[in-house]
Amino acid sequence: GENVEQHPSTLSVQEGDSAVIKCTYSDSASNYFPWYKQELGKGPQLIIDIRSNVGEKKDQRIAVTLNKTAKHFSLHITETQPEDSAVYFCAASGTGANNLFFGTGTRLTVIP
Amino acid sequence: SQTIHQWPATLVQPVGSPLSLECTVEGTSNPNLYWYRQAAGRGLQLLFYSVGIGQISSEVPQNLSASRPQDRQFILSSKKLLLSDSGFYLCAGEAGANVLTFGAGSRLTVL
Repeated sequence: GENVEQHPSTLSVQEGDSAVIKCTYSDSASNYFPWYKQELGKGPQLIIDIRSNVGEKKDQRIAVTLNKTAKHFSLHITETQPEDSAVYFCAASGTGANNLFFGTGTRLTVIP
Repeated sequence: SQTIHQWPATLVQPVGSPLSLECTVEGTSNPNLYWYRQAAGRGLQLLFYSVGIGQISSEVPQNLSASRPQDRQFILSSKKLLLSDSGFYLCAGEAGANVLTFGAGSRLTVL
């Protein structure tokens, strides 16, 4: 089955700096890579996703890059703000959400 | 858009007692539904998923069961809780093409 590894487990940045979270996956058949943000005591929320037919996707201060050859993908947050503080999860999936495998999460802290 | 409602939000139960966590979906019909468990500091573990009424697939052997009595209702149950059942339980619906929408979660503490 798929194995998703996520690094780092914790990340602290100064407000205004950039944050990068990286994930690797094992199954070359995976073709969907979402990123979720989970605030304290809440359920995860999808913030951005990418499919295997593109290498990069951007939405305002958030971007995701995908390298299918190397089987890794990354989340980039620019101009970080305190409200970006949360736990971020990556995931990789082939066919069907029952085949969606999550990383172990990164706790991002943005220091004002 | 799809909205997932879960309750109760928090629950403290003694070992050996029964459990029922409820999830309802708003905004879509015949969605695929999922129950995940999130242990502290760890990722999301898929417990059950359902593609329709009465259709349940279990991903891991455990002390829990799931049922889908109605199209938009998904229930997670246990007859006798164990200490190891403590955790944060999340219901999710598939909004389309692998995209999941999660509920706010139910935190279960078994004492």
